Amino acid sequence: DGGITQSPKYLFRKEGQNVTLSCEQNLNHDAMYWYRQDPGQGLRLIYYSQIVNDFQKGDIAEGYSVSREKKESFPLTVTSAQKNPTAFYLCASSGQAAYEQYFGPGTRLTVT
Amino acid sequence: SQQGEEDPQALSIQEGENATMNCSYKTSINNLQWYRQNSGRGLVHLILIRSNEREKHSGRLRVTLDTSKKSSSLLITASRAADTASYFCATDPTSYGKLTFGQGTILTVHP
Repeated sequence: DGGITQSPKYLFRKEGQNVTLSCEQNLNHDAMYWYRQDPGQGLRLIYYSQIVNDFQKGDIAEGYSVSREKKESFPLTVTSAQKNPTAFYLCASSGQAAYEQYFGPGTRLTVT
Repeated sequence: SQQGEEDPQALSIQEGENATMNCSYKTSINNLQWYRQNSGRGLVHLILIRSNEREKHSGRLRVTLDTSKKSSSLLITASRAADTASYFCATDPTSYGKLTFGQGTILTVHP
């Protein structure tokens, strides 16, 4: 999966709890991205970061937060404000913003 | 809303046949990319084609881009059972890497 790790692979949480998904890359890429995928659907962009200490909202940022304190790490927090958090979450990175993205293996989050 | 739309939604073929998937989009783009996803896994990049390019090849893959029709196609020649996966097109209108994905085409190649 191209030098990007996501942990854990499966995550279960109770409704009302915040949860943080990990994403680490050793590709020395500047840009990192978080996507959400629902069954039978394509990916939707949650947040992206083109450089350390900077990030922008994607198309569906409500109920999510991120940080980019280190180049290799881009954790995603799913807050209790996210109304439908159960989904498959994918992290990606890119050497330059307009180039191909390398994806991690994903984290499947189930909230009950 | 998602910009890219793939057609067909599902495609079932025999090993050795060619598979063609189409992608349509709505706004102008900087580049268009094709990705493959095996069930429950992350995506793998296949080909990136820029708005000033019309055709690109990579091994058994051929991608065309028609910006006047806002459409692209992915051709997989001499398909193999290992090509069974979902295929997504993604458009980048900004050159910031802010990709918008279609819903994908599920390809099944029968041995």
